[in-house]
Amino acid sequence: KNEVEQSPQNLTAQEGEFITINCSYSVGISALHWLQQHPGGGIVSLFMLSSGKKKHGRLIATINIQEKHSSLHITASHPRDSAVYICAVPTPTGNQFYFGTGTSLTVIP
Amino acid sequence: DAGVTQSPTHLIKTRGQHVTLRCSPISGHKSVSWYQQVLGQGPQFIFQYYEKEERGRGNFPDRFSARQFPNYSSELNVNALLLGDSALYLCASSPGQPNQPQHFGDGTRLSIL
Repeated sequence: KNEVEQSPQNLTAQEGEFITINCSYSVGISALHWLQQHPGGGIVSLFMLSSGKKKHGRLIATINIQEKHSSLHITASHPRDSAVYICAVPTPTGNQFYFGTGTSLTVIP
Repeated sequence: DAGVTQSPTHLIKTRGQHVTLRCSPISGHKSVSWYQQVLGQGPQFIFQYYEKEERGRGNFPDRFSARQFPNYSSELNVNALLLGDSALYLCASSPGQPNQPQHFGDGTRLSIL
């Protein structure tokens, strides 16, 4: 059983489309992280959120602690958004993370 | 400011060999974590070190070991390499308190032939 589940696993969109990636988790958490991983491996932290909503540019992340669910939205998607998006939650000790398997996003021009 | 740096970026080894991967954290960060990411999967936690002490260990065999140096850099060692050890090895640093954002390096891609 995975502590973190993401959907969809793969997503292809046309440039300009609104994108939603979902994350559900089964452990109690204090914060949830959204990460972006480009081809080649480097991971960038996009958001850390514990309630409500956060926005950075065209990226929006929301979380519902009661429902143990978070979503990552991308507005006006662009080919440079093509990457793997990973949801991660800290373990109860807070010293490591459970990672989702990632959502591979491809935005077509 | 330099981010987390890992070396080498790519490495090819054969079964039975050993390998040492290196990581330099962001300046001021005292915690380093190592993750293994097999193709198509999310990262799996291997070790966390804080102030040169092991703080956490994932479900990996004893062939995997690590250490942290006084300057907070870290090495991950893997002995008796197996084909299944082929993966991207990621290092992440953080200031050290729980639930703080981790900053990832670009990883070392290890291929076992």
